[in-house]
Amino acid sequence: NAGVTQTPKFQVLKTGQSMTLQCAQDMNHNSMYWYRQDPGMGLRLIYYSASEGTTDKGEVPNGYNVSRLNKREFSLRLESAAPSQTSVYFCASSYRGVEYGYTFGSGTRLTVV
Amino acid sequence: AQSVTQLGSHVSVSEGALVLLRCNYSSSVPPYLFWYVQYPNQGLQLLLKYTSAATLVKGINGFEAEFKKSETSFHLTKPSAHMSDAAEYFCAVSEGTGGFKTIFGAGTRLFVKA
Repeated sequence: NAGVTQTPKFQVLKTGQSMTLQCAQDMNHNSMYWYRQDPGMGLRLIYYSASEGTTDKGEVPNGYNVSRLNKREFSLRLESAAPSQTSVYFCASSYRGVEYGYTFGSGTRLTVV
Repeated sequence: AQSVTQLGSHVSVSEGALVLLRCNYSSSVPPYLFWYVQYPNQGLQLLLKYTSAATLVKGINGFEAEFKKSETSFHLTKPSAHMSDAAEYFCAVSEGTGGFKTIFGAGTRLFVKA
């Protein structure tokens, strides 16, 4: 039972480089989310996809784009990485709305130098 | 707008002692409330959730939380701490049915002493 799978687990980028974080879930969940975790700040929502074909901004969307490729996959793209985007990124999914609670991936630790 | 405050960024207890992690929320509508646990280098795992049914909610690993509307609190407790409970705990609040946004607290790291 894989749950939510994120790749890569670690990444170092130089300022200005781009990259895409991949996320896939195998639980037939409808909704998917991208969060970033910074020390002392909890988790902050970057983007979410309520259902296949839809995406919406969260609390901190600037500098990011997302694609809901199909029901299983939800990717996060950094077009021009900045040191302020150094963080741990978590993908999560839920059956439908937030009342079901989230299943999280194991995270991607990103460092921008 | 919803917000969550977790009192104490670090809590230390002895093995076998009561665990109490405090969470207060603000919400303009009846909320859904959650506690998540994060072990080192892992993602968050749902411990328990309140979704307007019973006010005392039981979760995994012997944890429970009580929703108190008058105090806008949702404190997490466990009668007897175990070494394996050492982790970071996050309280979270969401809007009602149909919402897709969850606001997380800053987290409380629990240390368990032998």
